[in-house]
Amino acid sequence: DQQVKQNSPSLSVQEGRISILNCDYTNSMFDYFLWYKKYPAEGPTFLISISSIKDKNEDGRFTVFLNKSAKHLSLHIVPSQPGDSAVYFCAASPTTSGTYKYIFGTGTRLKVLA
Amino acid sequence: DVKVTQSSRYLVKRTGEKVFLECVQDMDHENMFWYRQDPGLGLRLIYFSYDVKMKEKGDIPEGYSVSREKKERFSLILESASTNQTSMYLCASGSNGRDGLNQPQHFGDGTRLSIL
Repeated sequence: DQQVKQNSPSLSVQEGRISILNCDYTNSMFDYFLWYKKYPAEGPTFLISISSIKDKNEDGRFTVFLNKSAKHLSLHIVPSQPGDSAVYFCAASPTTSGTYKYIFGTGTRLKVLA
Repeated sequence: DVKVTQSSRYLVKRTGEKVFLECVQDMDHENMFWYRQDPGLGLRLIYFSYDVKMKEKGDIPEGYSVSREKKERFSLILESASTNQTSMYLCASGSNGRDGLNQPQHFGDGTRLSIL
């Protein structure tokens, strides 16, 4: 049973446009969410996180939105750059206290076209 | 910067062999994790440890064991390797942070393990 779902396996976007990656979750106990970026032959790199007490968190070109009622989060990248081409994983954790285990989605491969 | 180092980038072993994957972190993190990444399945947690000599099963522990004798080192052991354990293995570490607030996990570059 997939508790964290990324329903789009891939996404292509033109350079300079907005990339929107989506993630849905089923467990209402999740209260901390993260996005990781992964290049081939490298480990995932932390990108941005959000706790359930917020509905938006912004870091430069990256913004994460959380809709708790819909159990949905999204990552916006504006403007998209070719170097953003990677696989993006969302992850959820059942607590904001301590580094407890994360549940990861299956990933979305983003391709930014020059 | 946090550094999580996995001992091998690529490893080829035979069915039935005992396989050791080693991971070292240099940030004095309390928590360490082993995941495997498979196409279409994302990252799945095998085992994690929140202290020396402590371990907890993740979502797919069958066929694996772990060892954490020192804070900085977390080993994953395949007791008798099988072909369905061919995968990318990722180690991660994380801190409890100040006031126990959640901190992101930091990953190593992975070990691509092939079992023939």
